[in-house]
Amino acid sequence: DQQVKQNSPSLSVQEGRISILNCDYTNSMFDYFLWYKKYPAEGPTFLISISSIKDKNEDGRFTVFLNKSAKHLSLHIVPSQPGDSAVYFCAAMYSGGGADGLTFGKGTHLIIQP
Amino acid sequence: EPEVTQTPSHQVTQMGQEVILRCVPISNHLYFYWYRQILGQKVEFLVSFYNNEISEKSEIFDDQFSVERPDGSNFTLKIRSTKLEDSAMYFCASMPGTSGGWTDTQYFGPGTRLTVL
Repeated sequence: DQQVKQNSPSLSVQEGRISILNCDYTNSMFDYFLWYKKYPAEGPTFLISISSIKDKNEDGRFTVFLNKSAKHLSLHIVPSQPGDSAVYFCAAMYSGGGADGLTFGKGTHLIIQP
Repeated sequence: EPEVTQTPSHQVTQMGQEVILRCVPISNHLYFYWYRQILGQKVEFLVSFYNNEISEKSEIFDDQFSVERPDGSNFTLKIRSTKLEDSAMYFCASMPGTSGGWTDTQYFGPGTRLTVL
């Protein structure tokens, strides 16, 4: 039961170029979405979030786009830097469900090539 | 910058033994969570805790599991009788919860790797 799907297990991008990570969800109740970054042997680190009332949120080099009708979101990183190499998790939740946990995708391993 | 801490970083136990995983959430945060990640799989929600009681739990969180906030700073996850399939990374998270809604950020600890032999 994959309510949050990240269909690309890995992605390789050249330093300085744009990295685009994609995420699809099936549960129409989800209304808050987050991206986390994870290095080996560390916990997930929060990057950026977006509420379903918006279609875009930007924070420095990171922009998240939400297409509710397609149940699709994407994370853009511009420009990509070597330190961005990590596993990126998309997560979703229903804000009206109490203190529900996040539903995570399986992650995309982003590799930034020098 | 405040962070969530977890101990131990790695716990090895025999099947059937009880384990307690410990977490110190960020001070002044009100909501606490446990997640697990089995090797090669996604991070899965186990339980949330607020106001000294369980708020939500997943179907994974069965009677073998319990959580406690014994002293106002620690947040623990106990597994009563471990099984081989409990081997995973266990992540603790905390959330401020002061914005009045649920759309707040959960901050994760570094995890405890539990190995059940």
